[in-house]
Amino acid sequence: DTAVSQTPKYLVTQMGNDKSIKCEQNLGHDTMYWYKQDSKKFLKIMFSYNNKELIINETVPNRFSPKSPDKAHLNLHINSLELGDSAVYFCASSQRGRGHAFFGQGTRLTVV
Amino acid sequence: DAKTTQPNSMESNEEEPVHLPCNHSTISGTDYIHWYRQLPSQGPEYVIHGLTSNVNNRMASLAIAEDRKSSTLILHRATLRDAAVYYCILRGNNFGNEKLTFGTGTRLTIIP
Repeated sequence: DTAVSQTPKYLVTQMGNDKSIKCEQNLGHDTMYWYKQDSKKFLKIMFSYNNKELIINETVPNRFSPKSPDKAHLNLHINSLELGDSAVYFCASSQRGRGHAFFGQGTRLTVV
Repeated sequence: DAKTTQPNSMESNEEEPVHLPCNHSTISGTDYIHWYRQLPSQGPEYVIHGLTSNVNNRMASLAIAEDRKSSTLILHRATLRDAAVYYCILRGNNFGNEKLTFGTGTRLTIIP
């Protein structure tokens, strides 16, 4: 069983399109995150949700909208995709106050 | 966020021990020292973490300086599968401050 799973694994789309990436964790964690890894391999946090409540929003453009329907899911919707959005997006989860984070395998988004 | 400094790259021979250093001179009293690694084309993977005392687990050991301004990740017997980028991260333990802020990490190359 995969602890943190993301879909799709690869996503190729044209500029201006809207797309979503889904993330699910089966670890019973209460906190989930989205990270972006750019072409230079820098990993940067975008959002964090705790029990469906947004707690971290790291100056990400409004075109990015996370949605947490329940604490096991954190989806990322991106409007009006731009070339600069091309990156690998990682979802992660952890339990607040203890332990460490588990990461998904990533979604490679390519905007053409 | 308190910052960490790591060498950009290191090499080690297979089956030899590896010592990966990390400096974190501005660490606060409540920051935990976390180590993650990222194998090629995978998401980050937790390795080990500690607060003040040295820690051991099945993957590695973590040696923390007495003043906590530096730490060393020790892989006791490196294998080719340990080739990865290793990240030393300071993680707060307060609500809303549990994000992982990744630096550039150390790219570890294992020589057969």
